[in-house]
Parts: sequence; C-alpha cells; structure tokens
Amino acid sequence: DQQVKQNSPSLSVQEGRISILNCDYTNSMFDYFLWYKKYPAEGPTFLISISSIKDKNEDGRFTVFLNKSAKHLSLHIVPSQPGDSAVYFCAASSGGYQKVTFGTGTKLQVIP
Amino acid sequence: NAGVTQTPKFQVLKTGQSMTLQCAQDMNHEYMSWYRQDPGMGLRLIHYSVGAGITDQGEVPNGYNVSRSTTEDFPLRLLSAAPSQTSVYFCASRPTGYNTEAFFGQGTRLTVV
Repeated sequence: DQQVKQNSPSLSVQEGRISILNCDYTNSMFDYFLWYKKYPAEGPTFLISISSIKDKNEDGRFTVFLNKSAKHLSLHIVPSQPGDSAVYFCAASSGGYQKVTFGTGTKLQVIP
Repeated sequence: NAGVTQTPKFQVLKTGQSMTLQCAQDMNHEYMSWYRQDPGMGLRLIHYSVGAGITDQGEVPNGYNVSRSTTEDFPLRLLSAAPSQTSVYFCASRPTGYNTEAFFGQGTRLTVV
C-alpha cells in the first residue's frame, strides 16, 4: 500500500522555465511533508518542507504547495537550472516523531 | 564535518552469506534509520531507532537485523543474503525534536548473486 505516490517517474523542462513536481498521499494522519533531492551516487539531501497548518512554503527558487482537501502537494522550481537535474522524493510523516514515508521519486531533467 | 558515514560503498555477496552494513554519525542525533532504494519503489524503511537501546521495524524488515548500542552507530545485518536483497541501502539520522529533517549517508550498493 503506497501511502505517498509520485505518479510521474520523470519530467523534462527547459532551463529557465518552471518545474512542477507532484505528490499525492492517502494517509490523512500525515501532518508534515518534505522534499528531498538526490543526485546519482549520493544520498538524498533535504530541500524544503511544509507543515499541514500551512498551504505554502517558499525558499528561494523552491516553493511547496499543500492542498489538504485533495491530499496533494507540489514542488515548484522557478527558474529551473541544469543543476536541478536530479531525482526528487516526496516524504510525509505524522506526529512529529514518527517514521517518515517516502514516495517513489520523480527524475527531473533540466535541458540547457 | 563527516555527517553520516556508511561502509562499505559497494559489496557483492553470494546467496546465503551474511554481512553487516556499517553506519556512523557524528552529529549526536537520536533518531537513525535504514532505507533501501529499488527502481520504481522509492525509499522503503527497513528498521529505525529512536535512541540507544531502542529499535523498531519499518515497512520491509524481513531478512534484516539491527541493534543500537551507542548513539553514534546503527549497523544493519543481513542474516542470510538473498538476490531480493540486491539494492542500494541508505542510512539516515535525524536530530531530536518535532519534524526534523533527515541527513543521509552516501549509500551502500549491495549485489547478491
């Protein structure tokens, strides 16, 4: 039972344009959501997070939007840069101290 | 600052062999976890620990064993390796506190033949 789903395995975007990565979840108990970025042969690194009490969190070129009623979140990257090419994992947790559930990942390619 | 260190980086095992994947962190984090990454499956939690002496199972614990005798170390043991355990393994640690983010090691690529 995949509680966190990233339905697009891959995405290609032109440099300078917006990248939108989507994530859906099924567990209504999730109250904290994170995005991680992973380059080949490296471990994932934390990118941005959002609490369920918010619907938007912004950090530079990265913005995460949360739609609780739809159980959907998205990561926007504007403008996209070639260095953003990586696999992006959506993750969710409940209760603050509980284990984190990851999605299957979306491979983003930013074309120069 | 080393962060989370995993050894070895690569390993080939024969079916039935046992081995231990090492994980050490120098950030004094209470929470540590082991994940495996497989194509199309994302990162799946194997075992986790909320402090020295305390461990619990994740989503896919079968065939793996863990212990946490110190805050720094969280080794993952494969009891009798199977080809289905061919994967990339990541160790992660998180600081104590509400909704903290995880720091990952660079991974161990394990092949079981």
